[in-house]
This record gives sequence, C-alpha cells and structure tokens, in this order.
Amino acid sequence: AQKVTQAQTEISVVEKEDVTLDCVYETRDTTYYLFWYKQPPSGELVFLIRRNSFDEQNEISGRYSWNFQKSTSSFNFTITASQVVDSAVYFCALTSGNTPLVFGKGTRLSVIA
Amino acid sequence: DVKVTQSSRYLVKRTGEKVFLECVQDMDHENMFWYRQDPGLGLRLIYFSYDVKMKEKGDIPEGYSVSREKKERFSLILESASTNQTSMYLCASSPNMGTGRNQPQHFGDGTRLSIL
Repeated sequence: AQKVTQAQTEISVVEKEDVTLDCVYETRDTTYYLFWYKQPPSGELVFLIRRNSFDEQNEISGRYSWNFQKSTSSFNFTITASQVVDSAVYFCALTSGNTPLVFGKGTRLSVIA
Repeated sequence: DVKVTQSSRYLVKRTGEKVFLECVQDMDHENMFWYRQDPGLGLRLIYFSYDVKMKEKGDIPEGYSVSREKKERFSLILESASTNQTSMYLCASSPNMGTGRNQPQHFGDGTRLSIL
C-alpha cells in the first residue's frame, strides 16, 4: 500500500525566514510520481510540482525548491525568504500512475509579518 | 487554463435530505474525483471515475453515490444526508497521458456542506 506522511501538522515562521516542509512516502512501485499542492485560505488546491521516481534532480522555482531523495523516501519542500502570502496548507501526494493520488494530511504554514 | 467548477460554494441541508453536488470540467479530462476534507484527516477519496459511466469506490464511499453520464460532469450524491457528512467537498479532474494516469489533478474551489 502507498502512504504519505507529513509529520509537521503546523509550522509558524516569521516573514523572511526559510522553512522546510517534510514529506516521507512509502511505496513498493519502482515507478511513481510525487506532487506538492498548496491550499490557500480561499480553499482551492493549487498544483505546485510533479516529480517522477526516475528524476532525482532537485528543482528550484523562484523562492521554492524541492529536494527529492529516494534513499530516504523523502520529497521535501523549502520556501526561502517566506512571505505572508505563503501562508496556506501544503499537501504532498503520491501515485504509481495506475492508482488515485494518496495525499498526506497536510502541513499548515503560518507566516507572520 | 483548466477550469473545474463546483455548483455551490456553500450549502446547508437537513438530515435525511438527498443532496446533489455537481462538478463540471472544461478540458475534456478523462478522470474525475470527489474528495472530502476534514480537519486533521487531510483529503479522503470518496469516488472516482476514469471514463463516462464508469465509477470506482475510493476510501470512504459509504453513504455516497456518484453519476457520470457525460464526460465533463461528475455528480456526488448523498442519498440520505447525515450530520457526519458535514464537510468540505472537493472535486478534481486530470487527463490521461499515454498509458498512465500520472498527470496533476486540477481542483475546484470546494463546496462547504453543512447538514443540520
């Protein structure tokens, strides 16, 4: 069975601090896909990134970066120089491609001005 | 841009009523999903559909049914609403790509349903 664990339920940081959101996954499949979504207070989940299991290259997009490590089954998300607009619930998710997405329970990030 | 539209943002119904939640997507996606979101429990999959007239149970289908008569529309039905079905309901869609269903899901704004 597939499982995603986001151990951090809530995180609070002061604006401009860096913050890392942890995601640990479990799967027996050799091919799989990992995702991060952001859910702002308005409610809609917004897709941020998809990574497949064959691509361990880290990715940076502006203030966002993702660290994928198969050796530790982790796909962590770092926000650099956090801003108030980053306040949201962030979800990590996993699929093998033939099954629906399995979501973690989410991490609520509060960025305080 | 993909648009997933849920018919209501907020809905209040009474116990025992039959409730319909509608979801429409405009990008010809094959796959559609219904989730409910509750504090501390994350997103839980209720039902999903990989094609018209197809449906499959997710993790928590009890008390719900679905209908997919047209590709763009996926309806969630609460046969006899109960107070424990008060929740945020999220609809999503995604395309097939090649032989896999590994594309990102696109979500609607959600329906906050209260059962009194």
